[in-house]
Amino acid sequence: AQKVTQAQTEISVVEKEDVTLDCVYETRDTTYYLFWYKQPPSGELVFLIRRNSFDEQNEISGRYSWNFQKSTSSFNFTITASQVVDSAVYFCALSGEQGGKLIFGQGTELSVKP
Amino acid sequence: DGGITQSPKYLFRKEGQNVTLSCEQNLNHDAMYWYRQDPGQGLRLIYYSQIVNDFQKGDIAEGYSVSREKKESFPLTVTSAQKNPTAFYLCASSILVPGELFFGEGSRLTVL
Repeated sequence: AQKVTQAQTEISVVEKEDVTLDCVYETRDTTYYLFWYKQPPSGELVFLIRRNSFDEQNEISGRYSWNFQKSTSSFNFTITASQVVDSAVYFCALSGEQGGKLIFGQGTELSVKP
Repeated sequence: DGGITQSPKYLFRKEGQNVTLSCEQNLNHDAMYWYRQDPGQGLRLIYYSQIVNDFQKGDIAEGYSVSREKKESFPLTVTSAQKNPTAFYLCASSILVPGELFFGEGSRLTVL
C-alpha cells in the first residue's frame, strides 16, 4: 500500500527564517512520482513541484528547494528566508507507476509571522 | 483561460437531501478526480475517472455517486446515504502520467 506521512502538523516561524517541511513516503512501485502542493487560505491547491523516482537531483526554484532521498524515502521541502505570503497548508503527495490518482499526506500548516 | 471550474462555491443542504456539485475542465485532460477535505486533514479520494463513461471508486466512495458522460465534466452527487457530508470538496484533472493534478477552487458543503 502507498502512504505519505507529514509528521509536522503545524510550524510557526518568524519572517526571514528558513523552514523545512518533512515528507516520508511508502510505496512498492519501482516507478513513482512525488509532488508538493500549497493550499492558501482561499482553499485552492496550487501545484509546486513534481519529481519522478529516477531523478534524485535536488531542485531549487527561487526561495524554494526540494531534497529527494530514495535511501530514506523522503522528499523534504525547504523555504529560505520565509515571508508572510508563504503562510499556507502544504501537502506532499505520491502517485504510483500508473500515474493519476494521488495519495496525500495530512498536510503541514505553516504560519509565518512578521 | 484554461482551468477547472467548480460550482457552487458554497452550498447548504438539509439532512436527507441529495446535492450535486459541478466540475468542468477545459484543459483537455483525460482524468478527473473528486477529493474530500475535512478540517485539519489531508485529502481523501472519493471517485476518479480516467476516460469518458468509466469511473472507479476511491477510498471513501460510500454515499457518493458520479458520472462521466463528457470529457469536460465530472459531477459529484452527495446522497442522503452519506453520513457526514459537511466538508470541503475539491475537483481535479490531469493527464494520466505523470499526473500532477490541477485543482478547482473547491465547493464547501454544509448540512444543516
